[in-house]
Amino acid sequence: KAGVTQTPRYLIKTRGQQVTLSCSPISGHRSVSWYQQTPGQGLQFLFEYFSETQRNKGNFPGRFSGRQFSNSRSEMNVSTLELGDSALYLCASSLWDRLEAFFGQGTRLTVV
Amino acid sequence: GIQVEQSPPDLILQEGANSTLRCNFSDSVNNLQWFHQNPWGQLINLFYIPSGTKQNGRLSATTVATERYSLLYISSSQTTDSGVYFCAVGGASNSGGSNYKLTFGKGTLLTVNP
Repeated sequence: KAGVTQTPRYLIKTRGQQVTLSCSPISGHRSVSWYQQTPGQGLQFLFEYFSETQRNKGNFPGRFSGRQFSNSRSEMNVSTLELGDSALYLCASSLWDRLEAFFGQGTRLTVV
Repeated sequence: GIQVEQSPPDLILQEGANSTLRCNFSDSVNNLQWFHQNPWGQLINLFYIPSGTKQNGRLSATTVATERYSLLYISSSQTTDSGVYFCAVGGASNSGGSNYKLTFGKGTLLTVNP
């Protein structure tokens, strides 16, 4: 069974640009959530989607957005990139909410 | 929101030693997971353990939900056990909607020397 797949693995962007990250959950999993990891703030929750609906959002500015498609694949978008957005972005999927979450390998974003 | 505290923040061991990592949380939870982050950043699932005790090889974990803590035991440490160990909890949902998310501790950095 394939795990959670995130693309791309690495990304370098310039301040002011926007970026889209992709996450394909484990087959059959309907809940997809996103996390940001930085050395200073640790792992922080961004948002969670279930059946194409955002059910929960963390404390991030509106520049951070996401969506989930009917096949449960999810994308997150960051607009007007800032240097502080440089981070490891991790996606997790679970069969149902509150059940075991499985993480992808992450996308390492560097903003220069 | 739920607060998660992990201790110790850093731990240095000699190969073959045993260790105990602790995770305290501030509220009722319906999900608790232990992860090992590999050098490439991926979070590797160790245990899904909202309550009770589980064992997997040299690793075992215990969660006492009523006392709001969980312990991860590593026996006979190997150099490949090095890395950061995270505890993450999912809070009990409020009525009428889902507030599911995982709240992570700051992690324990384990270094196992040969």
